[in-house]
Amino acid sequence: QSALTQPASVSGSPGQSITISCTGTSSDVGGYNYVSWYQQHPGKAPKLMIYDVSNRPSGVSNRFSGSKSGNTASLTISGLQAEDEAEYYCNSFTSTSTRVFGTGTKVTVL
Amino acid sequence: EVQLVESGGDLVQPGGSLRLSCAVSGFTVSSKYMSWVRQAPGIGLEWVSVIYSGGRTYYADSVKGRFTISRDNSKNTLYLQMNSLRAEDTAVYYCARDAVGAYFDYWGQGTLVTVSS
Repeated sequence: QSALTQPASVSGSPGQSITISCTGTSSDVGGYNYVSWYQQHPGKAPKLMIYDVSNRPSGVSNRFSGSKSGNTASLTISGLQAEDEAEYYCNSFTSTSTRVFGTGTKVTVL
Repeated sequence: EVQLVESGGDLVQPGGSLRLSCAVSGFTVSSKYMSWVRQAPGIGLEWVSVIYSGGRTYYADSVKGRFTISRDNSKNTLYLQMNSLRAEDTAVYYCARDAVGAYFDYWGQGTLVTVSS
């Protein structure tokens, strides 16, 4: 049950697009279309941003999009805004029916 | 409106036990998958355990054999019994609704467990 690998930090200027990667194995990310993404502001509970690789829950901005290729999933934030500055985590279902989070990525808006 | 409210967090000595509760409103806990997720201070999220609607349970290797997830349908409440606690179990513990597809669409506010002598 090793954590999925994410870059520690990603930054961008307002209006730019950034992409966060989430790398796992064929036993988790690569084996199922059950990857989700969460946004967490300091001191707050995580918020679901993307589920089933690329679906957005109601109320989440369409500036957030998800994709997957092989064992790596990605979250793209387009039109970066100051409010997007937060920690982002990916999560995947695994072959043993457990779930595993990514290591987390700090997004900084310059 | 869906609400999840955790309680039971406390300061406990290494080797001790604690039971966390998650009171749910807005849906029936027995009809959904429910998970516990924790976050150590300054560290990332760690999935802990899930209970399926049919009662099957799964655990992270780090807590297997020490933690037990359960629910009380009459109280619409989820529990996490934690035994043989270690310093590394210190964290904010969140309960979350675990939707089909293993994503967490509703979260509680968290309850802090501190394991220290």
